[in-house]
Amino acid sequence: GAGVSQSPRYKVAKRGQDVALRCDPISGHVSLFWYQQALGQGPEFLTYFQNEAQLDKSGLPSDRFFAERPEGSVSTLKIQRTQQEDSAVYLCASSSLAGFYNEQFFGPGTRLTVL
Amino acid sequence: AQKITQTQPGMFVQEKEAVTLDCTYDTSDPSYGLFWYKQPSSGEMIFLIYQGSYDQQNATEGRYSLNFQKARKSANLVISASQLGDSAMYFCAMRETTGNQFYFGTGTSLTVIP
Repeated sequence: GAGVSQSPRYKVAKRGQDVALRCDPISGHVSLFWYQQALGQGPEFLTYFQNEAQLDKSGLPSDRFFAERPEGSVSTLKIQRTQQEDSAVYLCASSSLAGFYNEQFFGPGTRLTVL
Repeated sequence: AQKITQTQPGMFVQEKEAVTLDCTYDTSDPSYGLFWYKQPSSGEMIFLIYQGSYDQQNATEGRYSLNFQKARKSANLVISASQLGDSAMYFCAMRETTGNQFYFGTGTSLTVIP
């Protein structure tokens, strides 16, 4: 496809379950970002990859959150032992270069609901 | 302190009128970029316009323009000739050279009235 895709679009998990959220960036895009967007809020940065290297994970809220991009393309955000406060939309974005000024292209997001 | 502040939770504008969405930012980095995104009810973030801190002129993209006042640290988005399809959430964002992340504001919900 032409844009960033994310799957699943919706995920309902029971508290304590592990979840995995997938992001397929635009082909050839070097940079990949994950964001968490709580209801009524702006996106909050979670982590950043340049190719397969995770250069910044300062936004991950706890060690229950883990992200990977092993081959420099598809990325997975994993949340272990989900809690109710993890309920949010998780957005993935990619950009073509590592440069500062390059716009990010966002995916449609995964809405996670933890019961 | 908040990096990006959007003080208008909701705005209304008559169709075909212009509207200004406010954004102020806080940074000590001399080099930074400012971005505006639109988020319709479908949830996808759509890039609208970019302004670099060293750009001499205000950015324009079609009906969108950015009123950049560096000394006041403001980067207001102006939408001219509003259309019904402009109804959405609008987010202001900033990226500094010292980091990798984008900082987003809390957004402004714009409703265009026919």
